[in-house]
Formats: sequence, structure tokens, C-alpha cells
Amino acid sequence: QQKVQQSPESLIVPEGGMASLNCTSSDRNVDYFWWYRQHSGKSPKMLMSIFSNGEKEEGRFTVHLNKASLHTSLHIRDSQPSDSALYLCAASGNYGSSGNKLIFGIGTLLSVKP
Amino acid sequence: EAAVTQSPRSKVAVTGGKVTLSCHQTNNHDYMYWYRQDTGHGLRLIHYSYVADSTEKGDIPDGYKASRPSQENFSLILELASLSQTAVYFCASSDALGQDTQYFGPGTRLLVL
Repeated sequence: QQKVQQSPESLIVPEGGMASLNCTSSDRNVDYFWWYRQHSGKSPKMLMSIFSNGEKEEGRFTVHLNKASLHTSLHIRDSQPSDSALYLCAASGNYGSSGNKLIFGIGTLLSVKP
Repeated sequence: EAAVTQSPRSKVAVTGGKVTLSCHQTNNHDYMYWYRQDTGHGLRLIHYSYVADSTEKGDIPDGYKASRPSQENFSLILELASLSQTAVYFCASSDALGQDTQYFGPGTRLLVL
């Protein structure tokens, strides 16, 4: 079973709308969360990271984290067609002998329709 | 911006053949990683390294070897390529393990026939 689960698998939103993506870890060792964005045919690029409970905003993007439930969400307001991409959530933590590696979810495919 | 390059960008290999994928970074990062990406599985870590001449197994190391001859270079070796190794392979680098942004290369699309 995936240690990092994302929902929904895919999402269609109208241009100018709000996109909300979710991510949960099943591993209590996790203490860092990352959101990467991957446009079609390109490599992943880090979008936002969050380590503390609460909210972090950067422009049109807002990330929430609830460490008690190991749940993070990414919200994109005023969505643009250029936001269409695969959004990957990743988590890292002290996995004992496995160290502090990043574990990626399968991703949410966002499509913003003009 | 941090720079990671990969070669080749695409390759067709025959089953049972040897394949070497190369990665070069100019970020002066200690950590380098090899991932594969498949539909339905996301990004999975194959091998990583935190210092030259040393490599560590990731989550799916079977069928792969890695080599880190210098801080800048990290190779992934498929000694006996198999059909199941058809995938897109990404190299990445970072300053720290799991606590720092990873910078990805452009990827190598490998097709094993």
C-alpha cells in the first residue's frame, strides 16, 4: 500500500476556479511534506513545502498541514491553463534504517479548462 | 537555478543487454538520486548516494546498480535489461536527504524490447 496517498486521481476545474488537492501519509514517522509539479513531458519541480502545522501561502498557491492527521492539502486559486500538470505530494521522515528519504504519492492530474 | 543533466535523453535497448544512464550535476550537492516513473506507481527511488564512491539502495534496487565516481556524476546501470524496466528515469540532487528540495534532471525515456 502506498505510504503517501493522494486524492483525487484527476481533477478538472474551469479557468479562474479553485483547485483543491489532498495528500495523506500512513506513516507516523513523517514530518516533512512537499508538493512538486510536473508538466507533461517535463521533470518534477518543487512547488511548495511545509513542515509546521498551519498554512503557508505563496501567490495563488496555499498549502495546509495538519500534523496530527498527517494530512496536507494544496489549493490553487484563480486556476490558469498553465497550472494543468501532475501534482506530486512527497513526504519524508525518520524511517529508521531507511534514513530520511522522500516517498512520493502517485499524483493528482489537474486539468484547467479555458 | 540548480542544474542536473542526463544522458541519453532516450534509449531503446534489447532484452538482456547492458544499459548505462548518466547524470551530471553542477549544484555542488552531496546527495544524488535515481528514480523511475511509471503510470500508476509515481516516482520510486532506486538508488541514492551521499558521497563519491558510495551508493545506497533505495526502495526498488533489484536489477539495478549505481556508481558515484565523483560528487558531480552518478550513473545507473542495468546489467541485464528486462521488459519490466521500460520506464522514464529521473536523476535528482539535493543538499540533504529528505529535508531539502530535490532538483530533477530532464529524464531518460528507456524502452526495452
